[in-house]
Amino acid sequence: NAGVTQTPKFQVLKTGQSMTLQCAQDMNHEYMSWYRQDPGMGLRLIHYSVGAGITDQGEVPNGYNVSRSTTEDFPLRLLSAAPSQTSVYFCASSPPGRRSEQYFGPGTRLTVT
Amino acid sequence: AQSVTQLGSHVSVSEGALVLLRCNYSSSVPPYLFWYVQYPNQGLQLLLKYTSAATLVKGINGFEAEFKKSETSFHLTKPSAHMSDAAEYFCAVSEHNDMRFGAGTRLTVKP
Repeated sequence: NAGVTQTPKFQVLKTGQSMTLQCAQDMNHEYMSWYRQDPGMGLRLIHYSVGAGITDQGEVPNGYNVSRSTTEDFPLRLLSAAPSQTSVYFCASSPPGRRSEQYFGPGTRLTVT
Repeated sequence: AQSVTQLGSHVSVSEGALVLLRCNYSSSVPPYLFWYVQYPNQGLQLLLKYTSAATLVKGINGFEAEFKKSETSFHLTKPSAHMSDAAEYFCAVSEHNDMRFGAGTRLTVKP
């Protein structure tokens, strides 16, 4: 198993540009989530999904969209990037019945200028 | 909503010394509690978790944590620090589908 994979590893955007951060897992995990990590603030939940077709907002959802059309993939979309979205983004997934046991991807470092 | 406070953003210990990383939580329901470790330029790795079974939880790499409901604490300890323990450590609390992380504690291990 590849586990949780994220692409790209690094990205630089200009203010106002849009992009999609990709996340995939090959472990048949139902629960997937997106976090952003900022210095001194730990990880904050952006959006999560409990299964294909179901998504919900976390702590800091503004400026981000998600969809979950398949069990494997959970992309995160930035519709109009802002400098405040400069961060490291982590995707995570959890096994069925063990939702709180999360496995993290390697992260995407995003800079918005 | 649940929250976590980690006391001390940086902790420095000598190799072989006791490691103590502090975490206090607030939760409206019996919580699930976690400790994660993050090595440089990597994602988070689960160290251990408390899910209302034994209050003393043992994890990987010789770490353990004790759930104390009366103190709303879940401190992480290791009897003897190794150089390889240098990393950032995050405490987290989970209610329903929502997990909240502390700000993290960076552990430095001096030779």
